[in-house]
Amino acid sequence: GAVVSQHPSWVICKSGTSVKIECRSLDFQATTMFWYRQFPKQSLMLMATSNEGSKATYEQGVEKDKFLINHASLTLSTLTVTSAHPEDSSFYICSASSHGTSGIVTQYFGPGTRLTVL
Amino acid sequence: AQSVSQHNHHVILSEAASLELGCNYSYGGTVNLFWYVQYPGQHLQLLLKYFSGDPLVKGIKGFEAEFIKSKFSFNLRKPSVQWSDTAEYFCAAAPYNNNDMRFGAGTRLTVKP
Repeated sequence: GAVVSQHPSWVICKSGTSVKIECRSLDFQATTMFWYRQFPKQSLMLMATSNEGSKATYEQGVEKDKFLINHASLTLSTLTVTSAHPEDSSFYICSASSHGTSGIVTQYFGPGTRLTVL
Repeated sequence: AQSVSQHNHHVILSEAASLELGCNYSYGGTVNLFWYVQYPGQHLQLLLKYFSGDPLVKGIKGFEAEFIKSKFSFNLRKPSVQWSDTAEYFCAAAPYNNNDMRFGAGTRLTVKP
């Protein structure tokens, strides 16, 4: 159980175009989803937290207008990188949280999407 | 500010050697602690987690971690590593029942056959 998928797994785009990445919780409902960015040989950096039906909360330094997050349902969140530039090339990872019976939150991670902007 | 520190950036061991990776956290209040592993070219996988109870937590693949509250530490251990344990290991922490998870910088483990 607790599987999170991402689509696409790999995308190459031209500079100036927009790219949408989907994150789905396949077998559970996720009230909260997270988007991380991972640079080569570095750790995950939290970009934003999104709750279903409300606006995402962005971390300091993350441009809201560049990284558009939509959490339209309990099983789907999307990240759109608008007007992508080469410096946006990175590995984007989403996670979805599930509340256990004791109320403890556990995050389940997707496989990631590698974005390369030419 | 909430933070997680991993002091070992790169650890190189021979097979059968014992492993201990350090993790310290800076959080006020009750904290949930995690160790994730990322094998080359793969996504994050949960190794083990601590929420409450026995501070010695056993995870998959023979890994264990000990929560020492007084030291704000959650070190990962394995008695005998294998070549297949070569991967990046991330420690993470989150406040109790809160989604604000923070990751350490990661420790790259290389196991020589």
